[in-house]
Amino acid sequence: RKEVEQDPGPFNVPEGATVAFNCTYSNSASQSFFWYRQDCRKEPKLLMSVYSSGNEDGRFTAQLNRASQYISLLIRDSKLSDSATYLCVVNLMNTGFQKLVFGTGTRLLVSP
Amino acid sequence: EAGVTQFPSHSVIEKGQTVTLRCDPISGHDNLYWYRRVMGKEIKFLLHFVKESKQDESGMPNNRFLAERTGGTYSTLKVQPAELEDSGVYFCASSQVGNLYEQYFGPGTRLTVT
Repeated sequence: RKEVEQDPGPFNVPEGATVAFNCTYSNSASQSFFWYRQDCRKEPKLLMSVYSSGNEDGRFTAQLNRASQYISLLIRDSKLSDSATYLCVVNLMNTGFQKLVFGTGTRLLVSP
Repeated sequence: EAGVTQFPSHSVIEKGQTVTLRCDPISGHDNLYWYRRVMGKEIKFLLHFVKESKQDESGMPNNRFLAERTGGTYSTLKVQPAELEDSGVYFCASSQVGNLYEQYFGPGTRLTVT
């Protein structure tokens, strides 16, 4: 079983739509959670951290459910520029060291 | 401020050859990480430097891979000898001391082993 699981998509949505991505993680000792965005053939970039209380950054809302080991990302009023792959990332403690563990990503395509 | 840079952007080599990838982190970032993405798979952690010291190299696939960060500035990742399964995109990332989470990634080196 993968440490971080995501639906690869693609999610095809029209401009203005609301879209939600989900992610599950297997290690209950995971400490921190993030969403990264990766454009085609580019590097991943941190989109937002995910806090237990849920957090919002403009059109983006992230939520964490530790009991279910589940993370979500909601994008409202989708823009063409939101088209990208969204990576769910978990910070994992491994033999005393911390490292980031990535999901394979969910691809979003926003069309006019 | 300059971001993380990596060189080369692409490398095509034959099986059995040696390749050295270079990463220049953001100035002042003590933490430097190497990751790899094999086609169709997720990005995977390779190792983590704090300054010139290897903090965690649990993700290094085998002893054909050697990472160095002499002087605590730029880092190199050498693959010798390269195998077909080493093909992929190698990303470097850096972060400030005490901040393991907000990592800034370089554009990656796309390595193709034929």
